Amino acid sequence: AQKITQTQPGMFVQEKEAVTLDCTYDTSDQSYGLFWYKQPSSGEMIFLIYQGSYDEQNATEGRYSLNFQKARKSANLVISASQLGDSAMYFCGFCSGNTGKLIFGQGTTLQVKP
Amino acid sequence: KAGVTQTPRYLIKTRGQQVTLSCSPISGHRSVSWYQQTPGQGLQFLFEYFSETQRNKGNFPGRFSGRQFSNSRSEMNVSTLELGDSALYLCASSRQAQPANTEAFFGQGTRLTVV
Repeated sequence: AQKITQTQPGMFVQEKEAVTLDCTYDTSDQSYGLFWYKQPSSGEMIFLIYQGSYDEQNATEGRYSLNFQKARKSANLVISASQLGDSAMYFCGFCSGNTGKLIFGQGTTLQVKP
Repeated sequence: KAGVTQTPRYLIKTRGQQVTLSCSPISGHRSVSWYQQTPGQGLQFLFEYFSETQRNKGNFPGRFSGRQFSNSRSEMNVSTLELGDSALYLCASSRQAQPANTEAFFGQGTRLTVV
């Protein structure tokens, strides 16, 4: 069975600095997708970035980049130049290419300090 | 284009009652997944429907059920409510049956409180 782990329940970062949110996964699937979502206090889940298991380059979307290390089964999210609006909960997601089931880690609460 | 719509946004029910939550996916999306979010358990997968068929199911008791209609709208039902069912219920839609390269778009959720 697949498992996804986020080991940091909460993190602080100074405004304008970069921060890395950790995510590791466990799977025997060859084909899978990794996702990061942001959940502000309003509750809605906002898609940030996607990485496919066969993608050789790390995904980037604006200030977000995904540090994909396949052998280590990690998919860390890097947010550059943090902004106050980045304060939210962040979820790492894993989708199996075999079952199509999308599961999430426990989440990391990020607080950006002015 | 309209996003994922969940109704109602807020709901208060008493123990033992049943509840039905609704989710209208983005137009053209055929896959709908449901999640339960609680502070203690995080985001837990309930089930996924694609073309009116349940494709995946999470580890929840049979009190939790769902269905999908021909227009891709989905409902989930919880019978014999328990206090522990109080949670934010999120629905996500995607274009296909959640292959590994398709992001899911979420609704704003239904916050259910059981008293």
